[in-house]
Amino acid sequence: EDQVTQSPEALRLQEGESSSLNCSYTVSGLRGLFWYRQDPGKGPEFLFTLYSAGEEKEKERLKATLTKKESFLHITAPKPEDSATYLCAVILTGGGNKLTFGTGTQLKVEL
Amino acid sequence: GAVVSQHPSWVICKSGTSVKIECRSLDFQATTMFWYRQFPKQSLMLMATSNEGSKATYEQGVEKDKFLINHASLTLSTLTVTSAHPEDSSFYICSAALTTDTQYFGPGTRLTVL
Repeated sequence: EDQVTQSPEALRLQEGESSSLNCSYTVSGLRGLFWYRQDPGKGPEFLFTLYSAGEEKEKERLKATLTKKESFLHITAPKPEDSATYLCAVILTGGGNKLTFGTGTQLKVEL
Repeated sequence: GAVVSQHPSWVICKSGTSVKIECRSLDFQATTMFWYRQFPKQSLMLMATSNEGSKATYEQGVEKDKFLINHASLTLSTLTVTSAHPEDSSFYICSAALTTDTQYFGPGTRLTVL
């Protein structure tokens, strides 16, 4: 069975304290991996798409990387406004464009 | 770019009534739209995939007669929750695909059934 697992479930950081969120996947065939940010009571906001092992994407304090088994979302010198739930999702080969989501990592960045 | 809107943002209804939620892609045409529901502290669960001009494809366990989906144009899809009951209370989110893969999400609709 295809599975997407995110860890940790929750993470509390001090402002400026860099860290990484993990998304591991066990799937029949990966076509693409997505990272989204979701604020409470809002819909997910698209961050990155990764297609190949070794690929990296960056946006401001966020950097996403992909291997054959997992993806990391690195947060460098986070600020309180980075607090949100970060969702990982995959699209499978032969699965059309259906997204399968992980359960998310709830990040809180404190002053 | 790639903005998706939903209306209403929240709705409260009585048990047994029907509720319609609209999803619009504002600045692009979306051949495919998706409907999700999300319970508190849980991730998004896909309910159905909607292609313009054709019948929606529902995920296993989703009642097609209860959750009616219409995708009449390249910028509008609607979800109607028929004969709503308290257990249908949830956060409903739509998304629209700009390219084959990338989905852009609406802000969500909070449904409360009394």
